[in-house]
Amino acid sequence: DAGVIQSPRHEVTEMGQEVTLRCKPISGHNSLFWYRQTMMRGLELLIYFNNNVPIDDSGMPEDRFSAKMPNASFSTLKIQPSEPRDSAVYFCASATGQGYGYTFGSGTRLTVV
Amino acid sequence: AQTVTQSQPEMSVQEAETVTLSCTYDTSESDYYLFWYKQPPSRQMILVIRQEAYKQQNATENRFSVNFQKAAKSFSLKISDSQLGDAAMYFCAYRRAGANSKLTFGKGITLSVRP
Repeated sequence: DAGVIQSPRHEVTEMGQEVTLRCKPISGHNSLFWYRQTMMRGLELLIYFNNNVPIDDSGMPEDRFSAKMPNASFSTLKIQPSEPRDSAVYFCASATGQGYGYTFGSGTRLTVV
Repeated sequence: AQTVTQSQPEMSVQEAETVTLSCTYDTSESDYYLFWYKQPPSRQMILVIRQEAYKQQNATENRFSVNFQKAAKSFSLKISDSQLGDAAMYFCAYRRAGANSKLTFGKGITLSVRP
């Protein structure tokens, strides 16, 4: 099992540009989560999907952020336009069953200059 | 809403010694799960141990064990025989039982291990 795969690992972009982060969950996991980690705010849940359907997007900071899960094996988190305050590590995680923890990807470190 | 509190931002332990990391949580649920995650400098989030709230027995994974006090809503992690590789940030997390539940994390604690 390759685990949760995120790409890219690092992303540096200029303010105003569109950024797309990608995630491939573990096969058979029916829940997918996007988290953002910063020093100031810690780990924040942005959005999560269950069986490809968005369940709770209340953590999405604003309309500049959007997430999709077109099928069970792929999800994207898009920021358009990006701003310097979006700089953070973005994690994708997947899970199966209610009693288990999440398996996290390696994260994408996003820097917006 | 559920909250998870880790009040100690940093701790230090001597190699081979034992250290306990504290965590408290707040919930009105009776059925839930608790977790400890480790995040080393590589930033990978690694599940260390999990505890089911309906089980009275404390979970153990090799050198890692928990002290789960349900009435007090306390969930501490004990690391025995600390090793240099244990140096990392540790997060306590909560997830209620049931479908469509999400994992709520504490702010984390940075553990350093002195050689």
